[in-house]
Amino acid sequence: EAGVTQSPTHLIKTRGQQATLRCSPISGHTSVYWYQQALGLGLQFLLWYDEGEERNRGNFPPRFSGRQFPNYSSELNVNALELEDSALYLCASSQGQDDSPLHFGNGTRLTVT
Amino acid sequence: GENVEQHPSTLSVQEGDSAVIKCTYSDSASNYFPWYKQELGKGPQLIIDIRSNVGEKKDQRIAVTLNKTAKHFSLHITETQPEDSAVYFCAAIRGGTGRRALTFGSGTRLQVQP
Repeated sequence: EAGVTQSPTHLIKTRGQQATLRCSPISGHTSVYWYQQALGLGLQFLLWYDEGEERNRGNFPPRFSGRQFPNYSSELNVNALELEDSALYLCASSQGQDDSPLHFGNGTRLTVT
Repeated sequence: GENVEQHPSTLSVQEGDSAVIKCTYSDSASNYFPWYKQELGKGPQLIIDIRSNVGEKKDQRIAVTLNKTAKHFSLHITETQPEDSAVYFCAAIRGGTGRRALTFGSGTRLQVQP
């Protein structure tokens, strides 16, 4: 069974640009979560999508947005990039039930210069 | 919302010793508590989880205990090996409300000295 896949693995952008990160969940999983992990810090919850709808949002500005496609894959968009957006962005998927385990991908390392 | 505190932030043990990482949570309605291991350059990997109707769970060298009254849970690793060196995260979630999002602790960097 293939795990959660994220692309690209690395992304370098300039301040003010837009970044798009992509995630493919494990087959059969309907929920996708996005987390930000800044260097040396913990995981901060960004967004949760289930069945194509945004279900919950963390404490991030509106320039962080995303969507989930009919095949349950997802993309995260970050507009007007700032230097502090540099981080590892992790995607996770689950079967959607309340206590279904989250399975993470290996992340996209975003560097803003 | 939920708040999860994790201690210690770093832990160094000798190979073969035991390691214990502790977490406390604030929301008494939280009912699912997973533990993740993150190795360098990789995403977090689920290593064990426990639900609120269970007080202890073991899987080979790893065990997790839960004290709902005190709102804390712990990860125990016995007979540590160098490959156990990683960052470990605890998490808590309050299910059944439609606002499902894991809250993670700040992580513990475990170093196992050979």
